[in-house]
Amino acid sequence: QLQLQESGPGLVKPSETLSLTCTVSGGSISSSSYYWGWIRQPPGKGLEWIGSIYYSGSTYYNPSLKSRVTISVDTSKNQFSLKLSSVTAADTAVYYCAGADSADAFDIWGQGTMVTVSS
Amino acid sequence: QSALTQPASVSGSPGQSITISCTGTSSDVGSYNLVSWYQQHPGKAPKLMIYEVSKRPSGVSNRFSGSKSGNTASLTISGLQAEDEADYYCCSYAGSSTHVFGTGTKVTVL
Repeated sequence: QLQLQESGPGLVKPSETLSLTCTVSGGSISSSSYYWGWIRQPPGKGLEWIGSIYYSGSTYYNPSLKSRVTISVDTSKNQFSLKLSSVTAADTAVYYCAGADSADAFDIWGQGTMVTVSS
Repeated sequence: QSALTQPASVSGSPGQSITISCTGTSSDVGSYNLVSWYQQHPGKAPKLMIYEVSKRPSGVSNRFSGSKSGNTASLTISGLQAEDEADYYCCSYAGSSTHVFGTGTKVTVL
């Protein structure tokens, strides 16, 4: 059974780059059955799709974040990563990694990790 | 890409049925039968409740059902129970491998 776990710094300074990693266990990240995504949730607010990466390596991003986001995959470590540059306080949120199947529904979620942007 | 519109809150008494709407546009909800619904309890990760508009993952109660008409999708919870009190989010495929979530609805069991 696939499981996801986010990891990374809980505090990032303004203007710096937020970097998070999601480790996939219980299966291969290279499986064609799934693609992987990042979703965030600011405190007290709703969910926002950040972007996704497919087993082919193709990436797709939220247009509102596209200029600052990079999602990549490391198949040797069974991990995928998120980098968000030039962060501001508005990027403070719980960041979730998730897996979606052919139905384009995110049916596997990590527990989420809180990232605060503050000096 | 604007967030799908959901009512901020919906409430009902135990045993009643409630419906949550999710309104998008002809570029997302209206164009694809790829609407999903998520339940989120406080401090927890979202849980998939409905996919492809009306399909339930294994293990999800049949009290949860989904539908779609035009640019609006709906989630119905029948036989409301205390454990159903949570936030609910819709999500739609929006083309070009992108997704958009709804604004979220807080369900209160009276």
